[in-house]
Amino acid sequence: GQSLEQPSEVTAVEGAIVQINCTYQTSGFYGLSWYQQHDGGAPTFLSYNALDGLEETGRFSSFLSRSDSYGYLLLQELQMKDSASYFCAVRDPYSSASKIIFGSGTRLSIRP
Amino acid sequence: EPEVTQTPSHQVTQMGQEVILRCVPISNHLYFYWYRQILGQKVEFLVSFYNNEISEKSEIFDDQFSVERPDGSNFTLKIRSTKLEDSAMYFCASSLLTGGAETQYFGPGTRLLVL
Repeated sequence: GQSLEQPSEVTAVEGAIVQINCTYQTSGFYGLSWYQQHDGGAPTFLSYNALDGLEETGRFSSFLSRSDSYGYLLLQELQMKDSASYFCAVRDPYSSASKIIFGSGTRLSIRP
Repeated sequence: EPEVTQTPSHQVTQMGQEVILRCVPISNHLYFYWYRQILGQKVEFLVSFYNNEISEKSEIFDDQFSVERPDGSNFTLKIRSTKLEDSAMYFCASSLLTGGAETQYFGPGTRLLVL
């Protein structure tokens, strides 16, 4: 089976940097994705790591260590609009349609 | 930019009633999905659809659920006899291909409340 663990809540200050960690246990692995979801909104794709290392997209970066079954999402120069839930996710390698398995989500609250 | 659309945005129904949730996937996409998110919980896979048939379904997707692509653009989820525990946000998603790096694009969701 597949399972992902991430903290339920993180609080940070506007303008600061925050890291959201994710550990996973999977019987097969394609890569780790991150999604952002604002309250009442749809999950929005942020990033995907198939290989070890850091991927940077603007203020957001994502890191993967396959040997440690661990990844993180790094958000820099935090803005109030970054307040949302962030989900790490994997594709089920045994799924014919590559269904997504989501972690339980980390609610990021940003203080002025 | 192309996007997945869903209607209605909100649906309130009585327990035991049938509901149909509608989705219009991105036009050139080939794979379609329904996911569900109970309030405060994670997003869960329900069913995937390809080439006019179900390719995979989860344990949640029991006989009360069905999906259909009635024409070239719409993709529907029907719940035949709703239960209180069906109250959730339902997301439709689509992708052009499958595979680890392929992005699934999610619609805005339909919030279903069963009373």
